[in-house]
Amino acid sequence: AQTVTQSQPEMSVQEAETVTLSCTYDTSENNYYLFWYKQPPSRQMILVIRQEAYKQQNATENRFSVNFQKAAKSFSLKISDSQLGDTAMYFCAFMMGTNKLIFGTGTLLAVQP
Amino acid sequence: GAGVSQTPSNKVTEKGKYVELRCDPISGHTALYWYRQSLGQGPEFLIYFQGTGAADDSGLPNDRFFAVRPEGSVSTLKIQRTERGDSAVYLCASSVSMGNEQFFGPGTRLTVL
Repeated sequence: AQTVTQSQPEMSVQEAETVTLSCTYDTSENNYYLFWYKQPPSRQMILVIRQEAYKQQNATENRFSVNFQKAAKSFSLKISDSQLGDTAMYFCAFMMGTNKLIFGTGTLLAVQP
Repeated sequence: GAGVSQTPSNKVTEKGKYVELRCDPISGHTALYWYRQSLGQGPEFLIYFQGTGAADDSGLPNDRFFAVRPEGSVSTLKIQRTERGDSAVYLCASSVSMGNEQFFGPGTRLTVL
């Protein structure tokens, strides 16, 4: 069975600084997708970034980028120039052929002014 | 059009009662997913539909849980004989088709007293 592990329950960063959230996963499959979702207090899950396992190049979306290490089964999220609006729960998620998302337990990120 | 909507936003019920939770997906999205998020946890997959049929219901915890999508659009998650352990946020998501980005609704917070 596939599992997703986020070992940092909480993180804090100063505004304008850079922070990295960790995620590891376990699968025997070769083709899959990895995601980072943001969940603010409003509960709405918002897709931050997506990575296809067959792509070696790390995905980037503006201030958000990932470090995808397929052999190590690691998928960390780097947020540059942190903003107050980045304060939220961040979930790492895995998806393969069944199309259901398997989520980690989340990391609560607090951006301090 | 509008995003995924879910009603009600909050539902409080008594142990043993029956509840229905509704999800309106984005217009034209053929795939629809239900997840359950317990306090302090990541969302857990319950069921997903491709069109009117349930393509995977392996996440439904027991036979008290049932979901329908009779016309391939709106879906209803039904819970019979509710238990206190059913208290959680129930999230719905839709996507253009299986394997594409899932867009989430704001969830229904169910509290069973």
